[in-house]
Amino acid sequence: QSALTQPASVSGSPGQSITISCTGTSSEVESYNLVSWYQQLPDKAPKLMIYEVNKRPSGVSNRFSGSKSGNMASLTISGLQAEDEADYYCCSYAGSSTVVFGGGTKLTVL
Amino acid sequence: QVQLVESGGGVVQPGRSLTLSCTASGFNFRSYGMHWVRQAPGKGLEWVAIIWYDGSKKYYADSVKGRFTISRDNSMSTLHLQMNTLKAEDTAVYYCVRELVDLVTFDYWGQGTLVTVSS
Repeated sequence: QSALTQPASVSGSPGQSITISCTGTSSEVESYNLVSWYQQLPDKAPKLMIYEVNKRPSGVSNRFSGSKSGNMASLTISGLQAEDEADYYCCSYAGSSTVVFGGGTKLTVL
Repeated sequence: QVQLVESGGGVVQPGRSLTLSCTASGFNFRSYGMHWVRQAPGKGLEWVAIIWYDGSKKYYADSVKGRFTISRDNSMSTLHLQMNTLKAEDTAVYYCVRELVDLVTFDYWGQGTLVTVSS
């Protein structure tokens, strides 16, 4: 149950697009289309942004999108806004009814 | 509306036990799988445990297996986490989380309760 690998930080200017990667192994990300993404604002509980790789829950902006290729999942935020500044976590099914999170990525909007 | 309210956190000495509770409201609790997820201070999220909607199956992270026990009371809409033999590395905010679907889609989170393991 090793954590998925995410970049510690990414940054972008308002209006730009950024992508956060989430690298796993054949034990989780590559084997299952069960990847979700969470946004965590300071001192708040995480919020679901993407599930099952590329599905958006009701109420989440269509500026957020997800994808997966092989053992890497990605979260893309287009039209970056100041309110998007937060920590982002990926999450994957890891087999045997267990779950693993990524280490988290801090997004800074310049 | 859906609410998950954790309680039971606090300061506990290494080696001792503590039980966390989560009271759910605003949805049919007995229809959902439930999880505990924790976050050490300044660190990332770590999945802890899952319990099936009917309590029939339970699974744990390797880091807590054999020390923590997840349980639920569907008649009272409550989720519990009994934590034994606590270690300093168990210090974290513990979140009660509702699973929407497929084990990794968590649509509602509680506000969290802080557990500090320290002598």
